[in-house]
Amino acid sequence: AQKVTQAQTEISVVEKEDVTLDCVYETRDTTYYLFWYKQPPSGELVFLIRRNSFDEQNEISGRYSWNFQKSTSSFNFTITASQVVDSAVYFCALSERMDSNYQLIWGAGTKLIIKP
Amino acid sequence: DAGVTQSPTHLIKTRGQQVTLRCSPKSGHDTVSWYQQALGQGPQFIFQYYEEEERQRGNFPDRFSGHQFPNYSSELNVNALLLGDSALYLCASFTAGQLNNSPLHFGNGTRLTVT
Repeated sequence: AQKVTQAQTEISVVEKEDVTLDCVYETRDTTYYLFWYKQPPSGELVFLIRRNSFDEQNEISGRYSWNFQKSTSSFNFTITASQVVDSAVYFCALSERMDSNYQLIWGAGTKLIIKP
Repeated sequence: DAGVTQSPTHLIKTRGQQVTLRCSPKSGHDTVSWYQQALGQGPQFIFQYYEEEERQRGNFPDRFSGHQFPNYSSELNVNALLLGDSALYLCASFTAGQLNNSPLHFGNGTRLTVT
């Protein structure tokens, strides 16, 4: 069965600190897709990244970086030099297919609080 | 280019009543998914519509039903409301066959409170 675990319920850091959000997943498929979404107080889920299971290359996008390790079934998200605007709930999600029948399995989310 | 739009924004209903939530997909998208997000939890997949048919369904009772119209917009209906149905209901859209080129786009959701 598929499962996504985000063990950190809430993280609070001071602005400019680096912070890492953990995500551990379970799936029996060899092909799958991992996602990170940001949910600000407005409620809309904002897409951040998608990763395919066959591409373990880490990715950096500005202050954001992602570390994908199949050996530990983890897909962690790091924000460097955090800013108050980064405050939100962050979700990790998994899908075992990317056709018209795909659906996302979500973690419980990590609430990130960046203090000025 | 309008994104996914949902209405209403907020809704308060009483136990036992029925509710209809509406979603207009992002322009160019033909598939709509609905998710329920209880407070402090991640979204849970309810169902997905494509070509006016329900294509997939999550672990939700028959009280949850939906519809997709020829213009790709969609409705989510919940009958015999329970207190536990209180949640943020999110609609997402995409174009079947183009998932590799675009992620799932979400609306701002409808906050349903059942009293």
